[in-house]
Amino acid sequence: EPEVTQTPSHQVTQMGQEVILRCVPISNHLYFYWYRQILGQKVEFLVSFYNNEISEKSEIFDDQFSVERPDGSNFTLKIRSTKLEDSAMYFCASRVIAGGISSSYEQYFGPGTRLTVT
Amino acid sequence: GQQVMQIPQYQHVQEGEDFTTYCNSSTTLSNIQWYKQRPGGHPVFLIQLVKSGEVKKQKRLTFQFGEAKKNSSLHITATQTTDVGTYFCAGRRSYNTDKLIFGTGTRLQVFP
Repeated sequence: EPEVTQTPSHQVTQMGQEVILRCVPISNHLYFYWYRQILGQKVEFLVSFYNNEISEKSEIFDDQFSVERPDGSNFTLKIRSTKLEDSAMYFCASRVIAGGISSSYEQYFGPGTRLTVT
Repeated sequence: GQQVMQIPQYQHVQEGEDFTTYCNSSTTLSNIQWYKQRPGGHPVFLIQLVKSGEVKKQKRLTFQFGEAKKNSSLHITATQTTDVGTYFCAGRRSYNTDKLIFGTGTRLQVFP
């Protein structure tokens, strides 16, 4: 069964450094997402991406964050200058295009990247 | 902002007992999804509910969407140790938004 992959599985970085988290969504999917989950807490929406542009972003997704789809397969999340509070699990997700009220908006999540900022 | 709360936060049950988690939104939702996250794992989609009052079943799992489309529930009959994990509801405010608001989650522990 096709799956979303993410690299690295764990990233340790110093405060103020830039990090890039990588994701390969499922190949026929067209909507891509980044979420974060602070340890033991709920999953929080960061950003959605469709047709090579951001479609929605949350208040968490400030100027320090950016996303890119540099080629036909990768989807990246960049944090320009990491802060201690950026430490979390970051999940990438994707879904197929869907239409209609009853269509499924099922999102497929990757295994996540654990980011530790020291 | 919109909040989605779940109760209880934790539930410990003996294998074979039933389990229910309740999801309540501060605003009306266009649809609601349920995800399961095993310890150390990632969210896995379980189901989507769209219609007011809708009830869906998956084997031992029963999902319900409230009449006002502001609440939902997940009921597991005769829990098994494989049901262990955190169950999250996640809703969309309207059909024009792709943003999923996740609930606070209910962590289920099942003792054999």
